[in-house]
Amino acid sequence: AQSVTQLGSHVSVSEGALVLLRCNYSSSVPPYLFWYVQYPNQGLQLLLKYTTGATLVKGINGFEAEFKKSETSFHLTKPSAHMSDAAEYFCAVRPGGYQKVTFGTGTKLQVIP
Amino acid sequence: GAGVSQSPSNKVTEKGKDVELRCDPISGHTALYWYRQRLGQGLEFLIYFQGNSAPDKSGLPSDRFSAERTGESVSTLTIQRTQQEDSAVYLCASAIDLSGGRRDTQYFGPGTRLTVL
Repeated sequence: AQSVTQLGSHVSVSEGALVLLRCNYSSSVPPYLFWYVQYPNQGLQLLLKYTTGATLVKGINGFEAEFKKSETSFHLTKPSAHMSDAAEYFCAVRPGGYQKVTFGTGTKLQVIP
Repeated sequence: GAGVSQSPSNKVTEKGKDVELRCDPISGHTALYWYRQRLGQGLEFLIYFQGNSAPDKSGLPSDRFSAERTGESVSTLTIQRTQQEDSAVYLCASAIDLSGGRRDTQYFGPGTRLTVL
């Protein structure tokens, strides 16, 4: 069975600072990995995904994530935080070939002006 | 519509009552998923539909929960004899069923917030 661990349920950064949201996964087969963002009172929106190929994945709004198999990690980063980035971020894993997607418990990002 | 829609957006019910939650997926999306998001927790997978059949019901927490889908379109999640622990946001997502990575992009609806008193 697969699982996802997001370290830190709340992360605060200053506007303009680096954003780093951590995600570690476990999967018995090569995984597909996702980051979703949920703005207040809105549904989840896909930020980026890794399926195969290049391990550094670029997504919307300047976010990117790197798949590191040796570390079983898929951390989300953004060089410079904007106020509009304040939201909750979910990491998810789907073992290749299976439909069930397992989500992490989420990390709420606060951006301080 | 352009996205996944869910109704109602909010539902308050009394313990023991039955509730029905509706999901309208994006037109043409053959895959449909239901998730539950309890306060302060991550998304919990409930059930997955491929067309009108449900090959994976493993996430349904009890026999009080059931779901159906008709016409490869609308899906209804039914919770019978609701309990207070059923209070959560219920999210629906749909995906287009093509080979390769595009199947994996799930588009989420805004959710139904269920409160059981």
